Amino acid sequence: LAKTTQPISMDSYEGQEVNITCSHNNIATNDYITWYQQFPSQGPRFIIQGYKTKVTNEVASLFIPADRKSSTLSLPRVSLSDTAVYYCLVDGAGGFKTIFGAGTRLFVKA
Amino acid sequence: GAGVSQSPRYKVAKRGQDVALRCDPISGHVSLFWYQQALGQGPEFLTYFQNEAQLDKSGLPSDRFFAERPEGSVSTLKIQRTQQEDSAVYLCASVESGPIVNEQFFGPGTRLTVL
Repeated sequence: LAKTTQPISMDSYEGQEVNITCSHNNIATNDYITWYQQFPSQGPRFIIQGYKTKVTNEVASLFIPADRKSSTLSLPRVSLSDTAVYYCLVDGAGGFKTIFGAGTRLFVKA
Repeated sequence: GAGVSQSPRYKVAKRGQDVALRCDPISGHVSLFWYQQALGQGPEFLTYFQNEAQLDKSGLPSDRFFAERPEGSVSTLKIQRTQQEDSAVYLCASVESGPIVNEQFFGPGTRLTVL
């Protein structure tokens, strides 16, 4: 299973764009990249998933370079309510085990 | 239902007691995962079901942990002879179809405290 590496924590201010980069050097050909968000006392919530290039939804964008060894989650104009832990996962065919890692704690300040 | 539900939300057990944690997945969801989340850590995979079949239980930390999903819907995670190191939040997640390219829907978790 591909291992992911993310910054432990990040600080930002309201209204700024936040980019969280995840490294996954051993990603397999059939692996997808998925990001989850977790607030205190809640289960994680799916944000976005991609395989290559760029994916955008109403919440975030996901940028994946051609070599797919890293990915960047972009949150536009964050608000205080975006303070949470963000997890980068790499998973795909061939197994059921899902590895979350320690995640990135984003703290948005006023 | 509207989402994944778990019960109880909080459980306090004395060391050595057995506990049973329940997960009600979203109706019709085929796949179900259990995770253990220690304070300040990410969720750690415990086990995976596809319908009633337990296809992966490699994450269960010891033979004191047992999970079942007999009718392919509700699942129960049982921990026998609880130890203090079992104190954690236990999360359940369900997926509409197979695990590949999946969006997991998580419940709120059960916070287990073993005294």
